[in-house]
Amino acid sequence: KAGVTQTPRYLIKTRGQQVTLSCSPISGHRSVSWYQQTPGQGLQFLFEYFSETQRNKGNFPGRFSGRQFSNSRSEMNVSTLELGDSALYLCASSQVGLIETQYFGPGTRLLVL
Amino acid sequence: GQNIDQPTEMTATEGAIVQINCTYQTSGFNGLFWYQQHAGEAPTFLSYNVLDGLEEKGRFSSFLSRSKGYSYLLLKELQMKDSASYLCAVTPSGDSNYQLIWGAGTKLIIKP
Repeated sequence: KAGVTQTPRYLIKTRGQQVTLSCSPISGHRSVSWYQQTPGQGLQFLFEYFSETQRNKGNFPGRFSGRQFSNSRSEMNVSTLELGDSALYLCASSQVGLIETQYFGPGTRLLVL
Repeated sequence: GQNIDQPTEMTATEGAIVQINCTYQTSGFNGLFWYQQHAGEAPTFLSYNVLDGLEEKGRFSSFLSRSKGYSYLLLKELQMKDSASYLCAVTPSGDSNYQLIWGAGTKLIIKP
């Protein structure tokens, strides 16, 4: 079974621009979570989607948004980029059930100049 | 509030044993995960504990005490490739049960 895939893997943007990141979950996984990770920081939860609905959201400004499609693929968008948005953005998918182990994609490394 | 504590960094010697602790205070508890993350890579799943006791998986074992809000990851016969960050995460119960609460991770350095 193929793992979680994320595109693009690397991205360079300038302040004020916007960016869209994509995540394809493991086949059969319907839950997708997004995280931001900066050097020395733990995983900061952005949001989680299941069946095209956002079930939970972290403490990030409204510039960060996401969506999920009917095939469970998910996208996240960051508008009006700031230097502090430079980070590794990780997507994780899981099956919905008693134990929802999250499996991570390789991440998208975003650099904002 | 929700809080997970882990040591920031630990150093151990190749071939030795190391124990990485994790304490948590969360609104309810449904289970605890351990993940390994090598520098520049994504976290990979190591173990899951929901009941008290020790779960063994080869060189890695994970222990949980729900009454004490405490877990540890035990790594035996350390190898250089075990140099990584180890992340502890808890699934709380209630309305937030779709969101894992993550510790900041413990960076483990293995010396020859």
